[in-house]
This record gives sequence, C-alpha cells and structure tokens, in this order.
Amino acid sequence: AQTVTQSQPEMSVQEAETVTLSCTYDTSESDYYLFWYKQPPSRQMILVIRQEAYKQQNATENRFSVNFQKAAKSFSLKISDSQLGDAAMYFCAYRSARGGADGLTFGKGTHLIIQP
Amino acid sequence: DAGITQSPRHKVTETGTPVTLRCHQTENHRYMYWYRQDPGHGLRLIHYSYGVKDTDKGEVSDGYSVSRSKTEDFLLTLESATSSQTSVYFCATKPRQGSSTDTQYFGPGTRLTVL
Repeated sequence: AQTVTQSQPEMSVQEAETVTLSCTYDTSESDYYLFWYKQPPSRQMILVIRQEAYKQQNATENRFSVNFQKAAKSFSLKISDSQLGDAAMYFCAYRSARGGADGLTFGKGTHLIIQP
Repeated sequence: DAGITQSPRHKVTETGTPVTLRCHQTENHRYMYWYRQDPGHGLRLIHYSYGVKDTDKGEVSDGYSVSRSKTEDFLLTLESATSSQTSVYFCATKPRQGSSTDTQYFGPGTRLTVL
C-alpha cells in the first residue's frame, strides 16, 4: 500500500517570506499523480497544485511551485511571498494512475502559520 | 467546487442509531468518494463509486455502507453509529477517466458527533 509522509506537523513563516513544506511517499508504481490541497479554517479542501509523475517539469501555479524528485520519492511545496491568506492546513496526496476510480492517499498534514 | 453539496452539515446522534449522510453533485462526474478526517490522520478513504450501483471499499470501510442509485447522489450510511465514528466526513467527485484533469473536488464536509 502507498503511504504519504509529511514530517512537519507545523511550520511558521513571516509574511512575504518563502516557505517549503515537505512530503515524501512510498510506492512501487511508476505512473501516478501527486497533489497539494489546502484546508483553511472554513474546512473546505482546495486544490493548490497537481503533478503527473511522467512529467519531469515541476508544476507551478502563481506563487506555488513544487520540487518533484521522482527517484527520491519527494514532493515538496514552495510558497513564495507568503500572505496571511495562506495560513491553513496543507495536505499532500497521492493517487495511482493505474485505475480511474482509485481514491487519494493523504499525508497527515502540515499546519502553516503566517506571522504578520 | 464542482457543485457538491453535503447534508446535513452538522449532526449529533447517539450510539447505536442509524445515520445517513448525503452527497449531491451537479457536474455529472462519474466517480464519487467518501472520506473521513480525524486529528492526526489526515483524510482516509471509506468507500468510493465508479458509476451508478458500482461501489467499492476503501481503507476504513468497516461499519459503513454506501449506495448510489443515480449519478448525482452518493449516500453514506452508518448502520449503528459508534463513538469512534465521530469525525468530519467529506464527499469528493472526479470526472470520467481520460479527462484532462485527474482531480478530485471536495464538498464542504459534515461534522458528525456520536455521543
């Protein structure tokens, strides 16, 4: 079974600074998808960024980018120019590309605090 | 996202009573999922559906059943609720396989408390 590990239960960063959240995963498959979801206090799960394993280029979405290291099974999220609205729980998730129906396997999350 | 609603949004019930949570989507997505979220565990998959009347078990399916009689509705039932099922429950949907995005969209969640 696949596992996803987020080793930082909590991170704190000054507003406007850059922060990197770590995620590692364990799988024997070669084709899969990786995701970062944000969960603000409203509890809504919001997709931040998505990466296909067969793509070597790291995904970016505005201030959010990933460092995908397939051989190391590492998928970190970098948030540039942190804003107060970035404060939330961040979850890393994995999904096999083998079948269309498979659910997501989540890490336990990292609580990101933005200091004004 | 994706026109997903969950009902009820909050529910308090007693041990041993049956509970049904409803997920409704308006996007005609093929796949639907139920997850539970507990402190220190992230989200874990309970059951999923890959079409009308087609469902399968996830990682933590014991004590839960599901039904999908039409594309837009996916029901999660706790036949006899226990305190260990106190949790926040999320529904998610995903378009058909082969679509341009393999992304699950989540509903707002239901907070269930079993006393």
